[in-house]
Amino acid sequence: NAGVTQTPKFQVLKTGQSMTLQCAQDMNHNSMYWYRQDPGMGLRLIYYSASEGTTDKGEVPNGYNVSRLNKREFSLRLESAAPSQTSVYFCASWGAGNTYEQYFGPGTRLTVT
Amino acid sequence: AQSVTQPDIHITVSEGASLELRCNYSYGATPYLFWYVQSPGQGLQLLLKYFSGDTLVQGIKGFEAEFKRSQSSFNLRKPSVHWSDAAEYFCAVGTYNTDKLIFGTGTRLQVFP
Repeated sequence: NAGVTQTPKFQVLKTGQSMTLQCAQDMNHNSMYWYRQDPGMGLRLIYYSASEGTTDKGEVPNGYNVSRLNKREFSLRLESAAPSQTSVYFCASWGAGNTYEQYFGPGTRLTVT
Repeated sequence: AQSVTQPDIHITVSEGASLELRCNYSYGATPYLFWYVQSPGQGLQLLLKYFSGDTLVQGIKGFEAEFKRSQSSFNLRKPSVHWSDAAEYFCAVGTYNTDKLIFGTGTRLQVFP
């Protein structure tokens, strides 16, 4: 049981390049999330998916797109990276019922130059 | 608007000293409250959570938190801090009818020997 996994762990992009951050969970959770973490800002929600086939914007969606490929996988795409997107990105999934909590992946550290 | 405030950005304590990290929330509905810890370069790990019942909640690693509705607070405590507790701590709030959390901006804990 790996929990929530993310790839890659580190990435450096040039301004204007595109990339996709991958996330997968093996806990059969319905809800999945993408956050960004910046110093002094805490975690801010970019997008989330309440179930397979549905996605909704969070607090800071501009410049990002997401795909809920199936119940396990939720990807985040930067179409044209900007220096302001330099951040640490976390994927999470939500365990309802008795485990009511969000489980986090290890994060992806992205630098855009 | 719903919000979570962690008034202390950075706290420094000596090893063996007691610790209290503050968290205040503003939430219209009955809150579910969480404390997460993030070690350097790692994802977030749940320390403890409160849904209802006893307002003093025990968590992992010797931490506890007390929910005080009258003060809209959920402060995290530990009687004796260990050097390995040095990390960033996040308070978060949710409610029963949503699967999204609102995070505070975090408190960085530094422990001196």
